[in-house]
Amino acid sequence: ETAVFQTPNYHVTQVGNEVSFNCKQTLGHDTMYWYKQDSKKLLKIMFSYNNKQLIVNETVPRRFSPQSSDKAHLNLRIKSVEPEDSAVYLCASSVGLGGRAEQFFGPGTRLTVL
Amino acid sequence: QQKVQQSPESLSVPEGGMASLNCTSSDRNFQYFWWYRQHSGEGPKALMSIFSDGDKKEGRFTAHLNKASLHVSLHIRDSQPSDSALYFCAATASSGSWQLIFGSGTQLTVMP
Repeated sequence: ETAVFQTPNYHVTQVGNEVSFNCKQTLGHDTMYWYKQDSKKLLKIMFSYNNKQLIVNETVPRRFSPQSSDKAHLNLRIKSVEPEDSAVYLCASSVGLGGRAEQFFGPGTRLTVL
Repeated sequence: QQKVQQSPESLSVPEGGMASLNCTSSDRNFQYFWWYRQHSGEGPKALMSIFSDGDKKEGRFTAHLNKASLHVSLHIRDSQPSDSALYFCAATASSGSWQLIFGSGTQLTVMP
């Protein structure tokens, strides 16, 4: 089965801890993304990676950092989480970068910060 | 102000009915428009794209784009309970970062 896979499904942690989320796509795409979906379901782009190069970096706090080992994997690390980081983090991938590129999303990782 | 605005916020239609969703962008640089659908507990999934003025039909779904008014709509005929989901309009510009900007979504409920 080809798709976008995310782990873990859920994560509960305390303020100040470090967390890391994994994303893998088996679609053969060369571009991957991380989105944040807040409690109001608003979707906002955080990072885009194309051929292992960061090409879009929305103004996210410095405690967030993407990590890519190859074009099929894009992880997200959060150092010292804060309550406002509670959200669903969605990973996506596409063929190339552009308006015509359909993005394929994973199921998301729900983060709760206590 | 959000660059992509959707209405209504929520919509209920009877099974077999027509659902109409609207989207307006405030950025004339937006040239490419998408509709994504998100079922509860899942990630969004692309429904259809529209890049040219006019209508585009795919099965029960028809999208309409008017670039002059920056308005795009989605019409779902013969709505099914499985169509109940959160629908996002998304847009991107023809140059620059190619960032996909999502609207705030329309929650559609199809009543059996």
